[in-house]
Amino acid sequence: GAGVSQSPSNKVTEKGKDVELRCDPISGHTALYWYRQRLGQGLEFLIYFQGNSAPDKSGLPSDRFSAERTGESVSTLTIQRTQQEDSAVYLCASSRTGTKDYGYTFGSGTRLTVV
Amino acid sequence: AQKVTQAQTEISVVEKEDVTLDCVYETRDTTYYLFWYKQPPSGELVFLIRRNSFDEQNEISGRYSWNFQKSTSSFNFTITASQVVDSAVYFCALSEARGGSEKLVFGKGTKLTVNP
Repeated sequence: GAGVSQSPSNKVTEKGKDVELRCDPISGHTALYWYRQRLGQGLEFLIYFQGNSAPDKSGLPSDRFSAERTGESVSTLTIQRTQQEDSAVYLCASSRTGTKDYGYTFGSGTRLTVV
Repeated sequence: AQKVTQAQTEISVVEKEDVTLDCVYETRDTTYYLFWYKQPPSGELVFLIRRNSFDEQNEISGRYSWNFQKSTSSFNFTITASQVVDSAVYFCALSEARGGSEKLVFGKGTKLTVNP
């Protein structure tokens, strides 16, 4: 597609429920990243995919968080047993591997609210 | 460890004023990349510039200019003759160039408000 697409744009869930957030990167972008942005804060790195492997998961805050990617396309971030502290905007970005000539392109994010 | 500091949390200016957003970074690498992103109220991050650590030339793009100084580990961003549409949160970010995850480390952002 023309840009990075994320769905849903907004999600309200009850504490303790599981949620799935989806990211559809730009076609041809082999690198995919998930970030979290809490209200009024900067972006925190969560996980990086190169193709369908995840060489860097160092930012995932707990084992309630997991992500997968199908080939070089869609990625899903799953949060199990959501907590109120998980409320944030979750941003996805993609880029062309090994070429720093391009800035990372971000999606519009999914605003997650845990009530 | 990499770190990006944007000491200015919020800046408010009147239209047509010039404004400089500060960014100071820390890294042990000699090869790295620096970025600026704009996040308007709509929320989407907009890429503004990428600069590699070997290129210290200042860059100008219209009303935007960037001053990269390795000696002070700074990569400051100046908007000349600011406009209301420049109101946004601006993020500075750092990425290592070698291997690994190529992840971006972001500063906490500077909220710029340009008043008419």
